[in-house]
Amino acid sequence: DTGVSQNPRHKITKRGQNVTFRCDPISEHNRLYWYRQTLGQGPEFLTYFQNEAQLEKSRLLSDRFSAERPKGSFSTLEIQRTEQGDSAMYLCASSSLRTVSYEQYFGPGTRLTVT
Amino acid sequence: DQQVKQNSPSLSVQEGRISILNCDYTNSMFDYFLWYKKYPAEGPTFLISISSIKDKNEDGRFTVFLNKSAKHLSLHIVPSQPGDSAVYFCAASARENAGNMLTFGGGTRLMVKP
Repeated sequence: DTGVSQNPRHKITKRGQNVTFRCDPISEHNRLYWYRQTLGQGPEFLTYFQNEAQLEKSRLLSDRFSAERPKGSFSTLEIQRTEQGDSAMYLCASSSLRTVSYEQYFGPGTRLTVT
Repeated sequence: DQQVKQNSPSLSVQEGRISILNCDYTNSMFDYFLWYKKYPAEGPTFLISISSIKDKNEDGRFTVFLNKSAKHLSLHIVPSQPGDSAVYFCAASARENAGNMLTFGGGTRLMVKP
């Protein structure tokens, strides 16, 4: 079990550019979550997938954000026309439906800086 | 509207003493609570959790207490060690929440002095 991995770890982009992040969950986990964390705050929920279906999206997820999880394995989060307010740490987490508990296991995050 | 609050942004304790981190919540539908620890440049790491049907859960040096009537939970670390220095996040979930999404507090930075 290699844990949740995220790529890239850091991304610097200019305002207006598109960026895409990737998350590889723990292999047997069928639930995958995206969170965003800004400085001094706790992570905030963005969206979640059960297998390949995106079942919930936060109102924080504007139309410029889109997430996919083809074939229920890895997931991508794309931000179009980035704005400086998008600068944050983007965290991915996964969990298994088989466990009764609500524990989610987080990746190291992708830090986005929009200049 | 912050549903989970950690009112102390930082806490400093001496090695070997007890660390007590506090968390308050407002949503009475929350039925599961978790504590995560976060080191710089890493994602949050799950530490310990508690269901609303319990009032205490212990795992080694870590104990979480839940007071449902006060909508308050706390994490006790005894004895504190320098390696415990990190940011601690309280999180809550409700069965009604889609996919058991977590609602986090703002975090408390714990510094354990040798």
